[in-house]
Amino acid sequence: QKEVEQDPGPLSVPEGAIVSLNCTYSNSAFQYFMWYRQYSRKGPELLMYTYSSGNKEDGRFTAQVDKSSKYISLFIRDSQPSDSATYLCAMSAGQTGANNLFFGTGTRLTVIP
Amino acid sequence: SAVISQKPSRDICQRGTSLTIQCQVDSQVTMMFWYRQQPGQSLTLIATANQGSEATYESGFVIDKFPISRPNLTFSTLTVSNLSPEDSSIYLCSVADSFKNIQYFGAGTRLSVL
Repeated sequence: QKEVEQDPGPLSVPEGAIVSLNCTYSNSAFQYFMWYRQYSRKGPELLMYTYSSGNKEDGRFTAQVDKSSKYISLFIRDSQPSDSATYLCAMSAGQTGANNLFFGTGTRLTVIP
Repeated sequence: SAVISQKPSRDICQRGTSLTIQCQVDSQVTMMFWYRQQPGQSLTLIATANQGSEATYESGFVIDKFPISRPNLTFSTLTVSNLSPEDSSIYLCSVADSFKNIQYFGAGTRLSVL
């Protein structure tokens, strides 16, 4: 079983839709959860960062962590064509989390104008 | 966050040759990493570049194939040696923010081997 599972998509939505991206994981020690956005031919860009359980909101983006279910989500409200990218979840555990990240395979999102 | 410059952005190489990728950071960082990203797969950690000592390689990656240098706290290189078509991939460097337990990535190097 992979440490992190992510539906690769592709996911295609109309502009203005609410997008839900999800990852599940198996390691209960994970405490730090990240979402990266990767545009075509670019490196991953940190989008959201959450420690432990709960929600975090930043503009149109909301990151949600449910540690009891080992499930994390990224919601995008009022999606825009500029949101079209691949979204990678990543997570780490404990005090040495910075040097031991586990990534999902990424979900490719297309927002249609 | 740190600003990471990675060069070249892309290259096309012949089988049997080598490619050296450079990663420059605008501030001193303790931890730098090299990843490979293949289509449809997770980012795979190749090695941790250690300043002043040999890099720490992950299972399946060896120094002869992926030699790494880390001469100071702002710079590292990754060489992919004896290239074969299977090495065609995106190679990424990253740096760690140890306080937040997150990593920041460079733009990547897209390598194609003919």
